[in-house]
Amino acid sequence: GAVVSQHPSWVICKSGTSVKIECRSLDFQATTMFWYRQFPKQSLMLMATSNEGSKATYEQGVEKDKFLINHASLTLSTLTVTSAHPEDSSFYICSAPPLRTGPEAFFGQGTRLTVV
Amino acid sequence: SQQGEEDPQALSIQEGENATMNCSYKTSINNLQWYRQNSGRGLVHLILIRSNEREKHSGRLRVTLDTSKKSSSLLITASRAADTASYFCATDGNTGNQFYFGTGTSLTVIP
Repeated sequence: GAVVSQHPSWVICKSGTSVKIECRSLDFQATTMFWYRQFPKQSLMLMATSNEGSKATYEQGVEKDKFLINHASLTLSTLTVTSAHPEDSSFYICSAPPLRTGPEAFFGQGTRLTVV
Repeated sequence: SQQGEEDPQALSIQEGENATMNCSYKTSINNLQWYRQNSGRGLVHLILIRSNEREKHSGRLRVTLDTSKKSSSLLITASRAADTASYFCATDGNTGNQFYFGTGTSLTVIP
């Protein structure tokens, strides 16, 4: 089956630094990928839609300058949390729907970000 | 917000019992999906039901969909301790492949 890989799985960084999270589709291509954020014991909130070769589309209330998204190829999207603060600590998950298949999406294993 | 709601928020049952979770959503949909998430992990797709379907089965899972009420239910029969996880419904909001997740149900199956 389709596999989506996220890296890193867990990262701890200092306040003020930037962190890049990668989302790769390993055995299929995806023109769009989605980034979600999940706080402890809460649901997933869609942050943005990553579009290959064009600008990402952000959900209302998500700071585009804070969460930089790049989708440079059909198998890779990156989310960079810039100037991270402790309130950015969260679980970030990406998903990718394979091209030319059904609506089922495949999710990465998630990245736990802790900003200290 | 397009986020749906699920109830109950938490459910604790004995192994072998059935578990039923409900999901309500707000907008029209093309399909509704159920996902499972073990603590601190990514999501695993369980089952998809399309808007023109009313019921679907997969192993011990049974999903129903009532588009007139904008609601869905997930039934897990003969539960096992390994079913302990959070379960989320997700709708596409008739917009494509981006999903909006329900609030989730935390299921605990006691051995």
